[in-house]
Amino acid sequence: KAGVTQTPRYLIKTRGQQVTLSCSPISGHRSVSWYQQTPGQGLQFLFEYFSETQRNKGNFPGRFSGRQFSNSRSEMNVSTLELGDSALYLCASSRTQGYDTEAFFGQGTRLTVV
Amino acid sequence: AQSVTQLDSQVPVFEEAPVELRCNYSSSVSVYLFWYVQYPNQGLQLLLKYLSGSTLVESINGFEAEFNKSQTSFHLRKPSVHISDTAEYFCAVRSSDSSYKLIFGSGTRLLVRP
Repeated sequence: KAGVTQTPRYLIKTRGQQVTLSCSPISGHRSVSWYQQTPGQGLQFLFEYFSETQRNKGNFPGRFSGRQFSNSRSEMNVSTLELGDSALYLCASSRTQGYDTEAFFGQGTRLTVV
Repeated sequence: AQSVTQLDSQVPVFEEAPVELRCNYSSSVSVYLFWYVQYPNQGLQLLLKYLSGSTLVESINGFEAEFNKSQTSFHLRKPSVHISDTAEYFCAVRSSDSSYKLIFGSGTRLLVRP
């Protein structure tokens, strides 16, 4: 069974540009969450999608957005990139939405903003 | 708001020695607790989880963690570490306080020396 796939693995962008990251969850999983990981702030929750609907959103500016498609694949978009957006972006998929459900993480997309 | 505290940012230990990585959480409601491990340039892998039942949970590679409700702790232990255990370890909690979000601690880097 394939794991969570994130593409691309590495990305270099210039300030002011926008970027789209992709996440393919494990087959059968309907919930996808996104996290930003930085040395200074650690792991911070961005948002969660379940059945194409955003169910939860973290404390990030509106430049960060996402969506989920009918096949559960998800994308996140960051517009007007800033240097501080450089981070490892992790996607996690879960079978359902629930407190006891296990989250499986992808290997992440390393975004560098120059 | 729900929070998770990992007091030790780095724990150096010699190979074959025992280790304990500490984790405390803040919540007055039912919680579900997780330990994740992250190797360099990788995503997060679930190490073990406490959902209900026995307060002592074990992983397949020798780690164990004990849920202590009175002390709001979920410390991770291993009686004898290997070089290959060198990684960053994250404690996480999910509860009704945080909706379905996984709230992570700041991480503890375990450094196993020969």
